[in-house]
Formats: sequence, structure tokens, C-alpha cells
Amino acid sequence: DTAVSQTPKYLVTQMGNDKSIKCEQNLGHDTMYWYKQDSKKFLKIMFSYNNKELIINETVPNRFSPKSPDKAHLNLHINSLELGDSAVYFCASSQLAGKVVETQYFGPGTRLLVL
Amino acid sequence: GENVEQHPSTLSVQEGDSAVIKCTYSDSASNYFPWYKQELGKRPQLIIDIRSNVGEKKDQRIAVTLNKTAKHFSLHITETQPEDSAVYFCAASNRNTGNQFYFGTGTSLTVIP
Repeated sequence: DTAVSQTPKYLVTQMGNDKSIKCEQNLGHDTMYWYKQDSKKFLKIMFSYNNKELIINETVPNRFSPKSPDKAHLNLHINSLELGDSAVYFCASSQLAGKVVETQYFGPGTRLLVL
Repeated sequence: GENVEQHPSTLSVQEGDSAVIKCTYSDSASNYFPWYKQELGKRPQLIIDIRSNVGEKKDQRIAVTLNKTAKHFSLHITETQPEDSAVYFCAASNRNTGNQFYFGTGTSLTVIP
């Protein structure tokens, strides 16, 4: 009954490869997010997405692209992986309830290591 | 856009003492302020939150205060225990930003037994 799940938990790959990380939430939320956490533990928003709008952090390279097959899933696809992409990637979800912002729940994280 | 600053970056306290972490924000439209605790190797988890129509909120040993005029909010942990050792993040959000959350840079808290 995990609320927000991600696969895989660990991902080790070579520079230049293309990889995807999957995220699913069973909370019925309408907004999903991807964050990157680097070695300094900073949580950096990459994307937020609901069924109406994709908001992209302007600092995210276009090698990163979110793909949402449906409301419960937001996958992250990364092209041409670079050493600097090594980090922990967290998926999260929250619900927009009219004018009230609801809190977000995080997935367990995917630890990506690019060699 | 919103800018959230968090201090201190590291904090060490003796077990039983109190710990205070402070955050400031820049967007006066921000109206929701959650605090997350992240243990080593784990996901961030919500520990307490406060909305802009409230000045203070408590949950056992944890409390959060909000000063809207000064645009700052603080996390207070009393009677600290070793299991409180973790990284703590503050965040700010509002409906106008499409439900985006802006995080502080984190505080690494160590409680010394």
C-alpha cells in the first residue's frame, strides 16, 4: 500500500546511455514532481506536472524529460547521461484542493550513478 | 519566484537540549510552510506544517512558528533525542505557483548523547 513508489531504487550506468525512472502514486493526487538531490543534500525541483500544466525548472537540461501516461504516473527519461547527473532522484505528489495547497509525499528515491 | 533561505546549515546539540532552525521566504503570497525530516538514506517525510492564517503550531516536542510580516518561520524541537538526528528542510508554497514547493538548503542536526 505504498503511497508513492519509484523504480528502480538503484541505477548504475555508463556515460552517454539513456535511462528512465518510473514513478507511481496511489493517492489520487493531481500533481506530481521530480526532484534531484545532490551530494550536498540540496533538494532541487526539476519538474512539476498536473493534468493541465507542466512547469519546468529553467535550469534543467533538455536531456531530461518527464512523461506522464496517466494521472498516477510521472516517469523521468534522461538522454545522454553525464557524470554530473549522478544523484538521488525523488518523485513526489500532492493535491491541489481549490485554493488550498496540500502537502506533498515523497517516493523512496532512485540512486543514480553514472560511470 | 520564491526564494527560501535556511539557517544554520549544521547544528549540534546535547541530548535533552532544544534545537531551533530558521527559514525566511521572499514571496508574500506563500501561504503554506511544511517541514520535512530526512534520515540518512531515506526519503524526506513531513513532520509538521503551518498555514499563513496561524502563528504557531505544536505537535508534542515539535513546534513551528510563523511571522508573516517578517516573512520567516522556525522549527523548534524540545528535549532532543538521538533519533532526532537528521537533515531538516523547510519549504514554502502557494496556490499561485501551481503548487510548486520551494525548499531551503537543509539543516543537518546532530544530537549528541
